[in-house]
Amino acid sequence: DQQVKQNSPSLSVQEGRISILNCDYTNSMFDYFLWYKKYPAEGPTFLISISSIKDKNEDGRFTVFLNKSAKHLSLHIVPSQPGDSAVYFCAASDPLIQGAQKLVFGQGTRLTINP
Amino acid sequence: NAGVTQTPKFQVLKTGQSMTLQCAQDMNHNSMYWYRQDPGMGLRLIYYSASEGTTDKGEVPNGYNVSRLNKREFSLRLESAAPSQTSVYFCASSEFTAGGELFFGEGSRLTVL
Repeated sequence: DQQVKQNSPSLSVQEGRISILNCDYTNSMFDYFLWYKKYPAEGPTFLISISSIKDKNEDGRFTVFLNKSAKHLSLHIVPSQPGDSAVYFCAASDPLIQGAQKLVFGQGTRLTINP
Repeated sequence: NAGVTQTPKFQVLKTGQSMTLQCAQDMNHNSMYWYRQDPGMGLRLIYYSASEGTTDKGEVPNGYNVSRLNKREFSLRLESAAPSQTSVYFCASSEFTAGGELFFGEGSRLTVL
């Protein structure tokens, strides 16, 4: 049973436009949501996060929106740049267990920014 | 600043062989994790260690064992490799902070024939 789902395997966006990546979850106990970016042959790197008590968090070109009633979050990238082309993973955090941060990941969305 | 270092980066095994993936972090983090990534499946947690001396099962622990050797090192062992364990394995570490990020290594690509 997939607790975190990214239903779009791929997304293609024109450079300079807005990229919107979506993520749905089923477990209402998740307390944080994170987005990771992954380039080929590298490990995932942290992008931005949001607490379950917030509905928006912004960091430069990246904004994450959380709709708890719909169990849905989205990542907005404005403006999109060629270097943003990567696979983006949505992740949800179970509350800390003995201090460990257990993340449940979605399947990933491959974002391609076209010049 | 190395962060999280995994070895080896690539390995090919035959069914039934054993091997150990090594992971070390230099950020003085308490918690360490092993994930596997398969196409269309995202990353799935195999085992984690909340602190030195403790280990716990994640989502997909069958066929694996782990050792938290000290605060820096966390190894993953395949005792009898199976083709279903062909995957990319990622080690990660984190601090004791709710919502804090995990720092990942570059990954180890394992093929079991």
